[in-house]
Amino acid sequence: SAVISQKPSRDICQRGTSLTIQCQVDSQVTMMFWYRQQPGQSLTLIATANQGSEATYESGFVIDKFPISRPNLTFSTLTVSNMSPEDSSIYLCSTNTPSEQFFGPGTRLTVL
Amino acid sequence: GENVEQHPSTLSVQEGDSAVIKCTYSDSASNYFPWYKQELGKRPQLIIDIRSNVGEKKDQRIAVTLNKTAKHFSLHITETQPEDSAVYFCAARGRGGADGLTFGKGTHLIIQP
Repeated sequence: SAVISQKPSRDICQRGTSLTIQCQVDSQVTMMFWYRQQPGQSLTLIATANQGSEATYESGFVIDKFPISRPNLTFSTLTVSNMSPEDSSIYLCSTNTPSEQFFGPGTRLTVL
Repeated sequence: GENVEQHPSTLSVQEGDSAVIKCTYSDSASNYFPWYKQELGKRPQLIIDIRSNVGEKKDQRIAVTLNKTAKHFSLHITETQPEDSAVYFCAARGRGGADGLTFGKGTHLIIQP
């Protein structure tokens, strides 16, 4: 199994600013994923982050808006840049084993 | 890319009755199909999953069936209880885990006492 922690758990930010979310896994993992869950909606994959390579972004998400770092096998960050109220969501970090996908507790972001 | 459709969006059943939620997927390469339960304010929790080499899997009151030919899979909850009330998401994943999950839009399950 994998235990995932995220910081911050929640934040309220002003439009135009940026927020960096940290994700820590208790074991070394190859794949880390970032998801967004908008209010009342399902989860949408933002990008896949592998250590030592550029993150792979899903359609509709771009690196300039959501830069990702993956400096080692246990840690990743997601930055939400130049925020607008539409970015208000829960952002979840995730990883998988061959048998299961694990999620962090999420970061609840509100943009005013 | 993968597309997952989930129905119904809301399901209300009497306590003790069964609930069935259905999903279809588009990518025949997908081989892993988990179901998640999400309670308000919490992260999604895996409740059951199935792989493409299996047609059915059961865990106590919960079962999942998979029809690879038709590309659909279903969640069955029997003897529903009030604590089963939550939002349920189906998902699909391919390429042995190199891909992330593609989620359905979710089903709000309401158990009526």
